[in-house]
Amino acid sequence: DAKTTQPTSMDCAEGRAANLPCNHSTISGNEYVYWYRQIHSQGPQYIIHGLKNNETNEMASLIITEDRKSSTLILPHATLRDTAVYYCIVRPDHNTDKLIFGTGTRLQVFP
Amino acid sequence: NAGVTQTPKFQVLKTGQSMTLQCAQDMNHEYMSWYRQDPGMGLRLIHYSVGAGITDQGEVPNGYNVSRSTTEDFPLRLLSAAPSQTSVYFCASREVNYGYTFGSGTRLTVV
Repeated sequence: DAKTTQPTSMDCAEGRAANLPCNHSTISGNEYVYWYRQIHSQGPQYIIHGLKNNETNEMASLIITEDRKSSTLILPHATLRDTAVYYCIVRPDHNTDKLIFGTGTRLQVFP
Repeated sequence: NAGVTQTPKFQVLKTGQSMTLQCAQDMNHEYMSWYRQDPGMGLRLIHYSVGAGITDQGEVPNGYNVSRSTTEDFPLRLLSAAPSQTSVYFCASREVNYGYTFGSGTRLTVV
């Protein structure tokens, strides 16, 4: 399974873009990159996922490098409610679904 | 849709007792998983299922059993509770090519 590396923590000013990086240098060609976040002690929340192309939804954008060895989650206008732990996960093939969470990045959005 | 429903929300067990954590989803999702999260730690995969009748082990399966007799339900059984199993347990489900929806968790204390 591809492993991911994320910074332990990051800060971001409210209203600014939060750019959260993730390295996944051993990713295979058919493995997707998923992002989740966990606010305080709640259950994790799915944000976005992608394979090769950049993706955007109502919550965030996902930028995947051309060699797929790294990606960046972008929260375009961070709010205080975006303070959470963000997990970058590489999902192996559909048949196993062995989704392994790492330790994530703790994002603190400040006023 | 109720989403992913976990019961109970809180439980205290004595060492050696057994119990079943219930998880039900009403979204007709094929994939379901159980995770545990210890204080200040990330999520660790216990067991997962890619469909009714199919289960497999995750990172930390020892001391736990699962079964998947229906698409909707994925109970987690603790065989003989130990203090090391004190944790928050999250159940999750997803459809193909999408992210997991997590339940609100079961907070288990083993004394």
